[in-house]
Amino acid sequence: AQSVSQHNHHVILSEAASLELGCNYSYGGTVNLFWYVQYPGQHLQLLLKYFSGDPLVKGIKGFEAEFIKSKFSFNLRKPSVQWSDTAEYFCAVRRGGGATNKLIFGTGTLLAVQP
Amino acid sequence: DTAVSQTPKYLVTQMGNDKSIKCEQNLGHDTMYWYKQDSKKFLKIMFSYNNKELIINETVPNRFSPKSPDKAHLNLHINSLELGDSAVYFCASSQDLRTSGANEQFFGPGTRLTVL
Repeated sequence: AQSVSQHNHHVILSEAASLELGCNYSYGGTVNLFWYVQYPGQHLQLLLKYFSGDPLVKGIKGFEAEFIKSKFSFNLRKPSVQWSDTAEYFCAVRRGGGATNKLIFGTGTLLAVQP
Repeated sequence: DTAVSQTPKYLVTQMGNDKSIKCEQNLGHDTMYWYKQDSKKFLKIMFSYNNKELIINETVPNRFSPKSPDKAHLNLHINSLELGDSAVYFCASSQDLRTSGANEQFFGPGTRLTVL
């Protein structure tokens, strides 16, 4: 069965530190990849997505992610985090060309940025 | 204007009761979803409707019954509530996959259900 792994469950950084959150998936075919963010007490919002083309995707708020097909990975990065980036981050995968828009989510990474 | 809205935001109830959560989207989307987020923040899809037709039905107890009166609404009714049903339930919507390809899902604010 298709699965998504986020190995970092809890990350604590100081402001201005660089961030990289790991995401690996298990499906071998074409995939569409997403990173969502959930700020405390809020709903999920899309940070960025990859469907095809340039494997380096830029999203909102200075986030970017790189799709490495050979590693089945879609890691999220930000060069300099801010206190306001404190949130839960979810990687999600959709099977490309599938008949439904079913998203498989990872277990999430809780990022705490200390001022 | 709220794109995807859910009511109520909080729901506290006793075991054995029947309750409903409502979801509405004003984005003109054709597809709507229900997700369950457990206490460990794990998000799992439960159901999806496309133009009022059920297209995803994960392994969910049949105490859970989604109802889509029109494509802008997808309600979730839960019978005989159990302690394990306590979670945050998120509604989401997206454009029709078949007409627009893979599309972003827009999520509602969530309904925190607590079963006592």
